[in-house]
Amino acid sequence: QVQLQQWGAGLLKPSETLSLTCAVYDGFFSDYFWSWIRQSPGTGLEWIGEIRHGESANYNPSLMNRVTISIDTSNNHFSLRLSSVTAADAAVYYCARHIVVELTDSRTADRYDYWGQGTLVTVSS
Amino acid sequence: QSVLTQSPSVSAAPGQKVTISCSGSNSNIGNNFVCWYQQLPGTAPKLLIYDNDKRPSGIPDRFSGSKSGTSATLGITGLQAGDEAVYYCGSWDSSLNARGVFGGGTKLTVL
Repeated sequence: QVQLQQWGAGLLKPSETLSLTCAVYDGFFSDYFWSWIRQSPGTGLEWIGEIRHGESANYNPSLMNRVTISIDTSNNHFSLRLSSVTAADAAVYYCARHIVVELTDSRTADRYDYWGQGTLVTVSS
Repeated sequence: QSVLTQSPSVSAAPGQKVTISCSGSNSNIGNNFVCWYQQLPGTAPKLLIYDNDKRPSGIPDRFSGSKSGTSATLGITGLQAGDEAVYYCGSWDSSLNARGVFGGGTKLTVL
């Protein structure tokens, strides 16, 4: 059974750097995209970015200047760093496994099939 | 603003059927597949439907999905109190910044 377990600091001051890590158990780590998604209170889901073993990370253009996603295949971990946080970055942050299948007719099927438990990040001075 | 559009809320009585709609464009739903997630209070989203109409193992057949053009629909029959949750649609967006995108969520209230 695939499990994602995440951890990191939940209380930050403005301008600090958010840092979260997600450990993957039994998830065929090298075969999939590993994503970070956030959810602000009362709002929907926002994709932050993702990474796959051997490839560069992809980021949401709205966060690209502040976000870094890295991967540690030796320990089956991947991490998120978001710099210069503000109150707008307060949210529940999730890690997730992302399956992306590109078909021969150029259509793409994707899904986030396993999720971490979520980390509530608060930004306050 | 979410890329995919959902109605904010829907309600129905136990035992009834409800449908939740999701609207997108040709760059996402129109030319790619749709999935649906259920988020119970205080928990992470859970995959409910993928590839428009497929259910992961363990998801009851009370839940169904369909797609037509640039819209998709989640159907839930035999409503139960435990179905009260927020439901999100998702799809792949093939525009310049290709990425997974979501709807804003629909809160289902079981009366």
